[in-house]
Amino acid sequence: GAGVSQSPRYKVAKRGQDVALRCDPISGHVSLFWYQQALGQGPEFLTYFQNEAQLDKSGLPSDRFFAERPEGSVSTLKIQRTQQEDSAVYLCASSDLTRIDRRTRYEQYFGPGTRLTVT
Amino acid sequence: DAKTTQPPSMDCAEGRAANLPCNHSTISGNEYVYWYRQIHSQGPQYIIHGLKNNETNEMASLIITEDRKSSTLILPHATLRDTAVYYCIVGLSNYQLIWGAGTKLIIKP
Repeated sequence: GAGVSQSPRYKVAKRGQDVALRCDPISGHVSLFWYQQALGQGPEFLTYFQNEAQLDKSGLPSDRFFAERPEGSVSTLKIQRTQQEDSAVYLCASSDLTRIDRRTRYEQYFGPGTRLTVT
Repeated sequence: DAKTTQPPSMDCAEGRAANLPCNHSTISGNEYVYWYRQIHSQGPQYIIHGLKNNETNEMASLIITEDRKSSTLILPHATLRDTAVYYCIVGLSNYQLIWGAGTKLIIKP
């Protein structure tokens, strides 16, 4: 079946440009997560949605970062006025907390990520 | 800061069991231990998780010490495709997991 997809896979932006990164989660998954992964590091939590509600945005590094999931499915992470330190891989993951099976309730399914390079 | 400590890298011969250690001495009673892996240029992949008891699935086994302060992920018959960064994570649920730098496991032919 279809997994989590992200687009674009690669994005080069000039400093100061705005970018929008898209995530298509697995159909029916209630929870959606965004992570930022710097080179050689583990993913860092950015924000969490349950359906269309953004329940936690404590990991967003600045007010230039904004995420939305208006209809509870597709999500967009927007970065305004990009800076060089924003260069990273942005990962999206989804999970289905409603599943009775213990493994699938606790498993996050990740997309391939979008590699953002700010020049 | 990550709640876990892992060796930065390990080697294992193809066909042998790979044993990846993780220390989580500050784990609280209701926190789970999760293991994910990330193959180069891909998103992380869930492997297994546990609370107190040892767990096994088709990918791996998870051994958690009785005091829960450490655990070991076992890949019983490592293949070249198991070369990846392995992350040990502690958290209350799958929400807001705090990831460390992981262990880079290299399987050698």
